[in-house]
Amino acid sequence: AQSVTQPDIHITVSEGASLELRCNYSYGATPYLFWYVQSPGQGLQLLLKYFSGDTLVQGIKGFEAEFKRSQSSFNLRKPSVHWSDAAEYFCAVGADGNTGKLIFGQGTTLQVKP
Amino acid sequence: ETGVTQSPTHLIKTRGQQVTLRCSSQSGHNTVSWYQQALGQGPQFIFQYYREEENGRGNFPPRFSGLQFPNYSSELNVNALELDDSALYLCASSLEGVGTQYFGPGTRLTVL
Repeated sequence: AQSVTQPDIHITVSEGASLELRCNYSYGATPYLFWYVQSPGQGLQLLLKYFSGDTLVQGIKGFEAEFKRSQSSFNLRKPSVHWSDAAEYFCAVGADGNTGKLIFGQGTTLQVKP
Repeated sequence: ETGVTQSPTHLIKTRGQQVTLRCSSQSGHNTVSWYQQALGQGPQFIFQYYREEENGRGNFPPRFSGLQFPNYSSELNVNALELDDSALYLCASSLEGVGTQYFGPGTRLTVL
């Protein structure tokens, strides 16, 4: 069965430090992959997506992610974290080879220390 | 361009009641998907509507049902509410059932 694992439930980084959030997926073919961000009590905002092509994708707010097929990973990175980046981050895969049904990970809560 | 909107923002019901949640899709989108997000969890896919027909369903019982209207807005109906139905309900719209999904702010349902 398809699944998404975000190994880190909670991460704390200092403002200005670099960030990497891990995501591992289980899917037999080339997946459609997404990262969304959710502020408290809010809906989900799309940060970036991977459908095909260049395995390093750029998103909004200075985020990027790299698709590594050999490791079944799609880790999210940011070189310098801002206090406003504190939020919940979700990795998702398009189930059954399309984006019509998303399977989400459990999420990683990012706390930013001043 | 108008984004995805949902109503109401919050709702409190008692066990056994019925509830209807509403979603207006982003301008130009003809597909709406619904998700349930329990506290501390990732969203779980409930079902998708494409051109007024159900186009895929997750592992939810039949008391979760939906509709899509000619203007592509959608309703989620839940009958015989249970305490475990307390969650944030998110709708997302996309184009042609396979495009990137854009989410609304959600409806927070509390079942007492």
